[in-house]
Amino acid sequence: EAQVTQNPRYLITVTGKKLTVTCSQNMNHEYMSWYRQDPGLGLRQIYYSMNVEVTDKGDVPEGYKVSRKEKRNFPLILESPSPNQTSLYFCASSLVVPGIGNQPQHFGDGTRLSIL
Amino acid sequence: KQEVTQIPAALSVPEGENLVLNCSFTDSAIYNLQWFRQDPGKGLTSLLLIQSSQREQTSGRLNASLDKSSGRSTLYIAASQPGDSATYLCAVAGGTSYGKLTFGQGTILTVHP
Repeated sequence: EAQVTQNPRYLITVTGKKLTVTCSQNMNHEYMSWYRQDPGLGLRQIYYSMNVEVTDKGDVPEGYKVSRKEKRNFPLILESPSPNQTSLYFCASSLVVPGIGNQPQHFGDGTRLSIL
Repeated sequence: KQEVTQIPAALSVPEGENLVLNCSFTDSAIYNLQWFRQDPGKGLTSLLLIQSSQREQTSGRLNASLDKSSGRSTLYIAASQPGDSATYLCAVAGGTSYGKLTFGQGTILTVHP
């Protein structure tokens, strides 16, 4: 089954303790992206990747890192999490960059992070 | 900077009604527009994607239209059912939003029996 898998689904942790949220897709998609969703602010892009070893900042990249060493994986790293990073995070992928052709974005089920 | 607005923020209708959700965007130089559905505790599911050269797309009871020049899209849901209850999001790609989707804040739809 074609899917985007995020782990963990839920995490409660404390300020400053490094964490990684994994994202994996099995559709051989070139494009992957991370969003955060906050009440009143909607979905905002954190980072995206056009292909292996190619990453770029989205609208709200501060406090986050990403890597794309393999096509299928795009982990989101919080080196020193802070309470303002408490949010619902979504990983998404598509065959190519959004807007090229008619390829829809596929989303994972989300990761709810609480930073105390 | 591209901005996407959805009206209304919430909508409650009885089962069987036809309804329209609205989406507007500020930069008309888009490549495409997508409508998504989000269920509580779940990710987003793509419903319809309209290319900038298209006027509408249909899937079952759903019909999405696009008026690129005026920066508007509508999602029409025919004969609504309780199972349609969810948050509906529109998102645009392209123009000043290259490399990403820019989302509206969504319309929370409740269809009651």
